Amino acid sequence: AQKITQTQPGMFVQEKEAVTLDCTYDTSDQSYGLFWYKQPSSGEMIFLIYQGSYDEQNATEGRYSLNFQKARKSANLVISASQLGDSAMYFCAMRGRPYNQGGKLIFGQGTELSVKP
Amino acid sequence: KAGVTQTPRYLIKTRGQQVTLSCSPISGHRSVSWYQQTPGQGLQFLFEYFSETQRNKGNFPGRFSGRQFSNSRSEMNVSTLELGDSALYLCASSFWGTETQYFGPGTRLLVL
Repeated sequence: AQKITQTQPGMFVQEKEAVTLDCTYDTSDQSYGLFWYKQPSSGEMIFLIYQGSYDEQNATEGRYSLNFQKARKSANLVISASQLGDSAMYFCAMRGRPYNQGGKLIFGQGTELSVKP
Repeated sequence: KAGVTQTPRYLIKTRGQQVTLSCSPISGHRSVSWYQQTPGQGLQFLFEYFSETQRNKGNFPGRFSGRQFSNSRSEMNVSTLELGDSALYLCASSFWGTETQYFGPGTRLLVL
């Protein structure tokens, strides 16, 4: 069975500093996808970044980067130069392949990030 | 391009009633997935529809059902509501279901 573990229920970071949110996963699939989503208090899930299991380079999207360590089964999110608007819940998610898994994401419990001015 | 839309945004029902939630995916997307989010259980997958067919189903009782129309819009229905059904219901769309899913704003359901 697939599982996502986020061990940090809450984190604080000073504005303009970098922060790393931890995510470890467990799967027996050879091919899978890893995602990070941001959920502000409004409730909408906002896609941040994606990493495929066969991608050799770590994914980056603006201030977001994914530190992918396949052997350790970890997919940590790094946010550089934190902004006040980054305060939100962050979820790590995994989708297994092959394609018969379809559109099913497994989510971790989330990490609440608070950015201090 | 318009994002995923969900209606209604807020809903209050009483135990025993039924409810129907609607989701309109991003134009061109054919896969719609539904998730339930509660403080205790977190985000849990309900089901996924692709081209009007249910392709995946999570571990929820039969009171939870859904369907998808030919224009890819999807509805989910919960019959005989229980207090524990109070949650944020999120739908997400993608083209095939196998790549990035984009979420709607959710429907907050309160069962009294």
